[in-house]
This record gives sequence, structure tokens and C-alpha cells, in this order.
Amino acid sequence: KQEVTQIPAALSVPEGENLVLNCSFTDSAIYNLQWFRQDPGKGLTSLLLIQSSQREQTSGRLNASLDKSSGRSTLYIAASQPGDSATYLCAVRGNFNKFYFGSGTKLNVKP
Amino acid sequence: SQTIHQWPATLVQPVGSPLSLECTVEGTSNPNLYWYRQAAGRGLQLLFYSVGIGQISSEVPQNLSASRPQDRQFILSSKKLLLSDSGFYLCAWREKGQGTVEAFFGQGTRLTVV
Repeated sequence: KQEVTQIPAALSVPEGENLVLNCSFTDSAIYNLQWFRQDPGKGLTSLLLIQSSQREQTSGRLNASLDKSSGRSTLYIAASQPGDSATYLCAVRGNFNKFYFGSGTKLNVKP
Repeated sequence: SQTIHQWPATLVQPVGSPLSLECTVEGTSNPNLYWYRQAAGRGLQLLFYSVGIGQISSEVPQNLSASRPQDRQFILSSKKLLLSDSGFYLCAWREKGQGTVEAFFGQGTRLTVV
């Protein structure tokens, strides 16, 4: 069964810093990997989707990379802002339409 | 555009009572539908998914069941709630396809069993 791990579990940084969130998965047979943001008590907002054939995707200050062979993805956030504070989740889609999530990285960006 | 609705947003139920959470999707047809649970401080656990009306796959044995009576309606149920059923329940959908298709989530239902 696919296992997804996210490191670190929590991160606190001053505003303006660039930061990297990590996601690793045990089964490299994936269709895609998706990064989500979750605000407290809310649902998930999709940030970026990387297909298995892609190496990276960019959206504004966010850049996600994928190394499928090594089972790793990173989410890079440039020039972090207090509004970026949230929990960031990665999910991999494997066979049979199933998504598997990591437990998330809780980010706090201090003004 | 497509939207997903979940209700209720919050629910407090006594142990042993029944449960029914509903999720509907608009603006698409024949989507794949999913129920996830997020326990406090933990990741999302896939509970059920459905690729079509009446087709339900269960990921883990538990006190819950799911049904899909209509193409864009997904219902999570229990006959008798347990304390361990407390958590944040999220419904998700995606169009059928391979690597290019994103998953979208509802706003969740916070269930507290007392």
C-alpha cells in the first residue's frame, strides 16, 4: 500500500523567507501528485498538480517538483507571507482512482 | 463551473445515533467521488470511493457505509455512531482520466460524537 510522508510536520518562519516542504512516497507507480492547502477547519484547496511525466509545475510564488523514480516531491514557496500560513498536504494518485495523503506540514509565517 | 457541496458543516451526535452526511457535485457528470476522514492531528484517510452509481469501494473496515444513489450524490452513513467516528469528513470529486485531472474537495463536515 502507498505510504506518503511529509517533512517537516510543522514549520515556523519569518515573513519573506523562501522555504521548501517535502513529500515522499513509497510506490513510484503514480499517475500524478497534487499539493493542497488547508486552512483551519476548512476543506482543501488545490494548489498544483504534477503529472507523472512532468518534473515541475509553477503557479505564482509556488513551484512544485517531482522526482518519481526516487519517490519525492518538493513544494517551494518564495518570499513567504503571513497569508501563506496553513497546512500543506500532498497527495499521490495511484491505481484504481485512489489518492493517498501525507499528514501535512503546518506552516506559520510570522509577520 | 463545477462546485461541490457538503452538509452539514458541523454535527454533534450522541453515541449510538445514526449518521447521514451528504455530498453533491454540480457542473459535471459521471465523476469519481470520494469520502475522506481527517482525525485530529492526523492525515486524511480514504474511506470510500465510487466510480459510478451504486458502485462503492471501501478502503478500510469500519462502522461506516457509503452509497451513491445518483450520479452526483454521495452519502456517508452509519447506523450507530461510535466515539471513534469523530473527525473531519471531506468529500472529493474528480473527472475520470489519467494524470491530468485534479481532485477537488468540499468544505468538510466536523462530526463530534459525544
